[in-house]
Amino acid sequence: QKEVEQDPGPLSVPEGAIVSLNCTYSNSAFQYFMWYRQYSRKGPELLMYTYSSGNKEDGRFTAQVDKSSKYISLFIRDSQPSDSATYLCAMSPSQGGSEKLVFGKGTKLTVNP
Amino acid sequence: NAGVTQTPKFRVLKTGQSMTLLCAQDMNHEYMYWYRQDPGMGLRLIHYSVGEGTTAKGEVPDGYNVSRLKKQNFLLGLESAAPSQTSVYFCASKDGGTVVGANVLTFGAGSRLTVL
Repeated sequence: QKEVEQDPGPLSVPEGAIVSLNCTYSNSAFQYFMWYRQYSRKGPELLMYTYSSGNKEDGRFTAQVDKSSKYISLFIRDSQPSDSATYLCAMSPSQGGSEKLVFGKGTKLTVNP
Repeated sequence: NAGVTQTPKFRVLKTGQSMTLLCAQDMNHEYMYWYRQDPGMGLRLIHYSVGEGTTAKGEVPDGYNVSRLKKQNFLLGLESAAPSQTSVYFCASKDGGTVVGANVLTFGAGSRLTVL
């Protein structure tokens, strides 16, 4: 079983829809969870960063971590065409060791106007 | 503030040729990383550096070498390019000193390499 599983999509939704992106993981040592957004032909950029379980909200974006189920989610409310990108989840067992950072393969999202 | 700059952005090589990718960051970050991104494979760590003069192997280091002679620069070398090294290469950096966001990487825009 791969350490991090992420459905590659593609996911296509109409403008204004609520989008749910998910990752599952197998390593119970993961404590730091991130979502990166990658526009076409660009580098990934950090979108959300959470530690341990719980929710974190930033504008239209909500990150949710359920460590008991080894499941993380990113919700996008009122999705916009500008949200069209590939979303990568990433997780690490420690706060300093980014060499242990494991990325999901990414989910490609298209928001249609 | 340019962040992380990668050069070149595109390159086509023939099998067996050598080349160097340059990554430069102007954020005074301690840590620097080289990843490759392939369809269906996600981001995979090639080599990384925890400070000037240091390098270490990542998940897929074979066929690559790196050097970190200056804190702001991290070079990735291919001594004898192979078609399997056709990929998009990303450099990233992070500040080693912060607790909050200690795993937050700043990525460059990528270097697209094709090996024929």
